Amino acid sequence: AQRVTQPEKLLSVFKGAPVELKCNYSYSGSPELFWYVQYSRQRLQLLLRHISRESIKGFTADLNKGETSFHLKKPFAQEEDSAMYYCALNSGNTPLVFGKGTRLSVIA
Amino acid sequence: KAGVTQTPRYLIKTRGQQVTLSCSPISGHRSVSWYQQTPGQGLQFLFEYFSETQRNKGNFPGRFSGRQFSNSRSEMNVSTLELGDSALYLCASSVGTGYNSPLHFGNGTRLTVT
Repeated sequence: AQRVTQPEKLLSVFKGAPVELKCNYSYSGSPELFWYVQYSRQRLQLLLRHISRESIKGFTADLNKGETSFHLKKPFAQEEDSAMYYCALNSGNTPLVFGKGTRLSVIA
Repeated sequence: KAGVTQTPRYLIKTRGQQVTLSCSPISGHRSVSWYQQTPGQGLQFLFEYFSETQRNKGNFPGRFSGRQFSNSRSEMNVSTLELGDSALYLCASSVGTGYNSPLHFGNGTRLTVT
């Protein structure tokens, strides 16, 4: 069965510091990985997906099949990055499986 | 385009009652998924519907049911409510199914069972 693990419930960093939100997955096939974000008082929304190989709001994520990881990174954190971040896995015809989320707090 | 709309936003029910939650997807989206969000468990999958057919069902008791109408709108029903059903219920729509169809979420319906 597919599983997504986000080991940190809360991550606090100072403004301008690098950020890395960890995500590990368990799936034997070729997964599609996503990061969703929920800002305060806003709905959950897609941040980025590995297949697009894009950078959104300065965030990037690389799929590492050897380590079964899809960590989310940003070189310089901004206060507006404070939010709840969810890693999610899709394996074709099965529903999207989410990790339990990491709350990122950027301290001014 | 209007986003995913969920009604009502808040519900307070007592144990043993039943409740119906409604979801209107983004125009043109044919797939609707439901998730239960709680602080301890995060987002747990409930159902997925595509063109009025249930494609997937999560590991929830039979008290949880859903359906999708021909206009892609969806409802979920919870019967014989328990205290543990208190949660934020999220609906998400997508154009189709699979990884090429990212989910677009609504604001959720917060259900409180007393």
